[in-house]
Amino acid sequence: QLQLQESGPGLVKPSETLSLTCAVSGGSISNTNYYWDWIRQPPGKGLEWIGSVYYSGSTYYNPSLKSRVTISVDTSKNQFSLKLSSVTAADTAVYYCARRFPYGSGSYSPYYFDYWGQGTLVTVSS
Amino acid sequence: DIQMTQSPSSLSASVGDRVTITCRASQSIDKYLNWYQQKAGKAPKLLIYAASSLQSGVPSRFSGSGSGTDFTLTISSLQPEDFATYHCQQSFSIPGTFGQGTKVEIK
Repeated sequence: QLQLQESGPGLVKPSETLSLTCAVSGGSISNTNYYWDWIRQPPGKGLEWIGSVYYSGSTYYNPSLKSRVTISVDTSKNQFSLKLSSVTAADTAVYYCARRFPYGSGSYSPYYFDYWGQGTLVTVSS
Repeated sequence: DIQMTQSPSSLSASVGDRVTITCRASQSIDKYLNWYQQKAGKAPKLLIYAASSLQSGVPSRFSGSGSGTDFTLTISSLQPEDFATYHCQQSFSIPGTFGQGTKVEIK
C-alpha cells in the first residue's frame, strides 16, 4: 500500500523559506506513470494546487506561486520536497503531498490525485 | 484560471436522504472533473474522476454526472460515514483548481 508522509517545521517566520519533504513508501517515486504534487489548504478554506514534479525532475507550478516555489525530487531517497520563499501569514495552511495519476494520453493529460499524505500544518508567525 | 463554484456551501441531511451537490466551471472543462471527500482533520479521498467514473473501493451510492460546465455529485442514500466536506476539482487546464467545498452535516 502506497504511503506518503510530510515532514518539516510547523512554524516559519515571515519572510523566511518554508521547507517540507514528502517521503514515499510502498512504491517507487521513479515509476514513470505518476507525478508528485503539493497542495495546500488554509484553515477553514478550500484546496490550492501548488505544483508538481516528475521523477526526471521536470516541474510544473501554479502561476500564482511560481516566483516563490521550488519543487525537487530525490529518487535515491524516494522523496520529493517543497520550498516556498518569502512567506507571509497568507501561507499558513495544511500542506499535503499527493500522487497524481494522468489517465489520458497526449502532451497534456487529465488526471486525479489518488494518494495523499496526512497533511502537515505550517504556521507563519514571528 | 478556471473558477470552480460549488453549491450549496453546506447542507443538512438525514441518514437515508438522497443528496446532490453541484459544481460549476467558469468555462467548459469537457468531462475533466474529479470529486473528493474530506473528513475533519483528514486528507481528501478520491471518489469520482472524469466526471462519472467511480474510484475503486468507493461505494456505489456515490455517482457523478455532467460535462462542459455543470456537474453533480449524488449520494443516493446518505450513510453516517458520509458526513464530510466534498470538493470538486478540474484537471482540464493548469493550474488545476478546486471548488470551495460543500459541507454535509447531520440534520
